[in-house]
Amino acid sequence: AQTVTQSQPEMSVQEAETVTLSCTYDTSESDYYLFWYKQPPSRQMILVIRQEAYKQQNATENRFSVNFQKAAKSFSLKISDSQLGDAAMYFCAYNSGSSNTGKLIFGQGTTLQVKP
Amino acid sequence: DAGVTQSPTHLIKTRGQQVTLRCSPKSGHDTVSWYQQALGQGPQFIFQYYEEEERQRGNFPDRFSGHQFPNYSSELNVNALLLGDSALYLCASSLGIQTEAFFGQGTRLTVV
Repeated sequence: AQTVTQSQPEMSVQEAETVTLSCTYDTSESDYYLFWYKQPPSRQMILVIRQEAYKQQNATENRFSVNFQKAAKSFSLKISDSQLGDAAMYFCAYNSGSSNTGKLIFGQGTTLQVKP
Repeated sequence: DAGVTQSPTHLIKTRGQQVTLRCSPKSGHDTVSWYQQALGQGPQFIFQYYEEEERQRGNFPDRFSGHQFPNYSSELNVNALLLGDSALYLCASSLGIQTEAFFGQGTRLTVV
């Protein structure tokens, strides 16, 4: 079974600085998708960034980028120029690309605090 | 576009009671998944509905059941509520299974 692990329960960053959130996963599949979701106090999960395992190039969305290391099964999220609105809980998630399911497997989450 | 809407937003039930939670998917989406999120934890997959059928189920007891209607909206039913069922219940919709999943704001269920 696939698992997702986020080893940092809490992180903090100064406004305008850069922070990296860690995620590791375990799978025997070669075809899969990885995601970072943001969950602010409003509770709604918002997709931040998505990475297809077959793509070697790391995904980037404005201030958000990932470092995808397939062999190491590592998928970290880098937030540049941190803003107060980035404060939230961040979840790493895995989706199988080959088992014909849209089931998302989430990590335990990392709470990000942004200090003004 | 209203996005994914869930109702109610909050709910308090007594142990042993039954509850029904509702979800309307984002316009154009045909697949609905339900997740349970305990406080401070990541969401856990309950089940997924497509074409009015349950296509996959997570590790949840039969007390958890669901339904999808012809308009793709969905219900989650939980029978014989336990204190441990207290959680945030999230609904996610997508077009098919491999596209981006959009989440609703969830229903906060408290069992007393």
